[in-house]
Amino acid sequence: TQLLEQSPQFLSIQEGENLTVYCNSSSVFSSLQWYRQEPGEGPVLLVTVVTGGEVKKLKRLTFQFGDARKDSSLHITAAQPGDTGLYLCAGLTLTGNQFYFGTGTSLTVIP
Amino acid sequence: NAGVMQNPRHLVRRRGQEARLRCSPMKGHSHVYWYRQLPEEGLKFMVYLQKENIIDESGMPKERFSAEFPKEGPSILRIQQVVRGDSAAYFCASSPRQGDNSPLHFGNGTRLTVT
Repeated sequence: TQLLEQSPQFLSIQEGENLTVYCNSSSVFSSLQWYRQEPGEGPVLLVTVVTGGEVKKLKRLTFQFGDARKDSSLHITAAQPGDTGLYLCAGLTLTGNQFYFGTGTSLTVIP
Repeated sequence: NAGVMQNPRHLVRRRGQEARLRCSPMKGHSHVYWYRQLPEEGLKFMVYLQKENIIDESGMPKERFSAEFPKEGPSILRIQQVVRGDSAAYFCASSPRQGDNSPLHFGNGTRLTVT
């Protein structure tokens, strides 16, 4: 069962454009993490959001956790080719037993 | 993520053979998670282990798949009598504690191909 749906699944944009990736669920999570994965490698953590409504910024990336802790968004400003990769959200269950990963968003930034 | 070591990186097995995937967590980490990934897709949870204990195996098929994390040595994901549908990338992640929002540190995966 896929608890976290990400949209869009694929995104191809020009360098300099802005974009938003969404991560939605009907379940409440203890926290939510965003990872980026490059081909042939494992995912690498970008950020963890814990509190409903929380906003975190990491340079050109802005992460928001929904008020009800069921959804999250990732906004990238002025995308660069180095942002290309697979972006994954992951929710920690309330029991703390496992992280459920989203379906993934494959981003390509064209120079 | 270089701290989590998975081997082999690539594994080719014929149908019916056994596949053994190994994962050495980061130093000091006693929690290990196994995930399976198909191309361009997210990671599907398989099993969560602590040293010598399986905590949650709800994502692992009941048949042919097993996992262990012994007191000494790496965690092992074992797939018996592999079928073509088992072909995927298998990732291991470790964390120092359970459920306190600690990040998962991933290895670079084992790519299993069943011919």
